[in-house]
Amino acid sequence: QSVLTQPPSASGTPGQRVTISCSGSGSNIGSNYVSWFQQFPGTAPKLLIYRDHQRPSGVPDRFSGSKSDTSASLAISGLRSEDEADYYCASWDDSLSGPVFGGGTTVTVL
Amino acid sequence: QVRLEQSGAEVKKPGASVKVSCKASGYTLTDYYIHWVRQAPGQGFEWMGWVNPNTGGRGQARKFRGRVTMTTDTSIDSAYMELTGLTSDDTALYFCARGPQPRNKLMVVAPNVAFDLWGQGTMVTVSS
Repeated sequence: QSVLTQPPSASGTPGQRVTISCSGSGSNIGSNYVSWFQQFPGTAPKLLIYRDHQRPSGVPDRFSGSKSDTSASLAISGLRSEDEADYYCASWDDSLSGPVFGGGTTVTVL
Repeated sequence: QVRLEQSGAEVKKPGASVKVSCKASGYTLTDYYIHWVRQAPGQGFEWMGWVNPNTGGRGQARKFRGRVTMTTDTSIDSAYMELTGLTSDDTALYFCARGPQPRNKLMVVAPNVAFDLWGQGTMVTVSS
C-alpha cells in the first residue's frame, strides 16, 4: 500500500490532455515539494517535474505539475503515443524522514 | 556524459548478502547525495536510504535499519549498497539515484525527491 495515492490508470487519444492526481497528507505533500517520474518498462525512472512544477531541461512543456494543500497533479497536454508509460509522484515525508511514492499510473494512448 | 553505472544482476540464496555498486561519471560524486530505491517486480518504488559522499553521513528507512549499509569510495567515484539477511521479499530491481544537497547546511539531508539521475538498475533475485 503506497503512502501517496494515484489512480492506477489514465488514458486519452492523441492530442488530448490527461491529468494524473496524487493525494498525500500534511507530513509529505502538505509540507514538501512534489516530484513526478516517468518510467518505461524495464528502464530507470526519469525526472519529469521537481519542486511541484519545475521541469528539468529537456522535458517538453507538454508536461506540467501543480500542487494544492495535500494533493498534486501532473498534466500531459497534446498527448503523444510516446507518452505511454508509468508515472509516479513522490514527496519527502517528515514523519518517515525519507521519500514516499505513489503506486503509479499507467497512461495509455488510445 | 553524466551517468550512474550499476553493477550486474545477482542471484542469491536466502540468508545471504548482496553488495551493489554505483559508479558516477561526468560529475563530481561529492556534489550530490546518493539515494537507493528498489522496485519489486510489477510494483512501485520503495526508498531504502541515502549517503552523503562528502561526509559519509547516511540515513536509512526504518524498515532496513540494521540490514543495509550504504557507503562511498570517492577515490573511484563509487557508491555501494549492501543488504544482508536476504529473503525472497528482497527480490527487486535496485536503483541508485542522485539527489540534491540540502540548501540549509544545518540539515543532514535535503527533504526533496528531485532525483535527477538514476542508474540503470541492478536486479537482485533471492531464491533457494
